[in-house]
Amino acid sequence: EDQVTQSPEALRLQEGESSSLNCSYTVSGLRGLFWYRQDPGKGPEFLFTLYSAGEEKEKERLKATLTKKESFLHITAPKPEDSATYLCAGDNTDKLIFGTGTRLQVFP
Amino acid sequence: GAVVSQHPSRVICKSGTSVKIECRSLDFQATTMFWYRQFPKQSLMLMATSNEGSKATYEQGVEKDKFLINHASLTLSTLTVTSAHPEDSSFYICSALPGSTNEKLFFGSGTQLSVL
Repeated sequence: EDQVTQSPEALRLQEGESSSLNCSYTVSGLRGLFWYRQDPGKGPEFLFTLYSAGEEKEKERLKATLTKKESFLHITAPKPEDSATYLCAGDNTDKLIFGTGTRLQVFP
Repeated sequence: GAVVSQHPSRVICKSGTSVKIECRSLDFQATTMFWYRQFPKQSLMLMATSNEGSKATYEQGVEKDKFLINHASLTLSTLTVTSAHPEDSSFYICSALPGSTNEKLFFGSGTQLSVL
């Protein structure tokens, strides 16, 4: 059964304290690994898609990486406005399988 | 970027009534739209896949007679929760595909349904 697991469930960081979010996946025929940001009461906002092991993508303070079993979302020197839930999802060609997300809180 | 508009953002209704949620792709044509449900602190669960001009495909365990989906045009899909009950209270989110793959799936802003 296709599954996506994210850890930690929640993460509290001091402003400027870099860290990484983990997304482990077992998705048959993975066609892409997606990262989204979701603010409370809002729909997910697209961040990245990764397609092959070794691929990396960056956007401002965020960098996503992919291996054959997991993906990491690295956040460098986070700011309070980076506080949100970060979701990853695996595309098994049929649909996106979402993880439960990591709730990130960045304190000034 | 592509915009998906979802309306209403919040609805409160009495048990037994029906509620319709609209999802519109504003600047692209979406042959496929998806409907998700999200409970607090849980992941998005796909309910159904909606293709323009054809019947929706429902995920296992989702009652098609309770959650009616209509995708009458390339820019509009609707989800109607019929005879709503308190257990149907949830955050409903739609998404739309501007192309044939799942790349850059665009999401609506969600609808918080509360059934009293």
